Amino acid sequence: KAGVTQTPRYLIKTRGQQVTLSCSPISGHRSVSWYQQTPGQGLQFLFEYFSETQRNKGNFPGRFSGRQFSNSRSEMNVSTLELGDSALYLCASSLGGGFNSPLHFGNGTRLTVT
Amino acid sequence: DAKTTQPTSMDCAEGRAANLPCNHSTISGNEYVYWYRQIHSQGPQYIIHGLKNNETNEMASLIITEDRKSSTLILPHATLRDTAVYYCIVRVNYGGSQGNLIFGKGTKLSVKP
Repeated sequence: KAGVTQTPRYLIKTRGQQVTLSCSPISGHRSVSWYQQTPGQGLQFLFEYFSETQRNKGNFPGRFSGRQFSNSRSEMNVSTLELGDSALYLCASSLGGGFNSPLHFGNGTRLTVT
Repeated sequence: DAKTTQPTSMDCAEGRAANLPCNHSTISGNEYVYWYRQIHSQGPQYIIHGLKNNETNEMASLIITEDRKSSTLILPHATLRDTAVYYCIVRVNYGGSQGNLIFGKGTKLSVKP
């Protein structure tokens, strides 16, 4: 079974621009979560989608948004990029069956904002 | 905040068992303990999880104390490829969702030849 696929793998953007990252979950998984990882803050939860609905959101500004499509694929968007948005963005999928359903992560998109 | 406490770093000799401890003294009755590891520049890799019984899979064993306030991840025969940061996570009911993962700083395990 293919794992979680994230594209692109690397991205360089300029301050003020916007960016869209893509995530394809494991086949059959209906929940997709997004995390941001930086050296200073570690791994932080952004948001979670299940059946095209945002189920929960972390403590990030409104510039960070996401969506999920009917095939469970997900995208996240960051508008008006800031230097501090440089990070590894990770997507994880799960069956969505509760606490006993492990999250499986992709290898992330490394975003550099200059 | 993460509900777990782990040592910052540990060393293990190649071929020996690696025992990684984790304290989660405030864990609630329906909260699972999850273990992930992360090798540099890759996404976290799921290892194992459990509620109250000991668990074993092809990667590792998870031993949870009877009072559930601590657990130990055991890699039975560590190899150099097991060098990574290991995260012990208590999966909590966050905002009514299915429970997200709140990562702490983890334990950096170095397997040495």
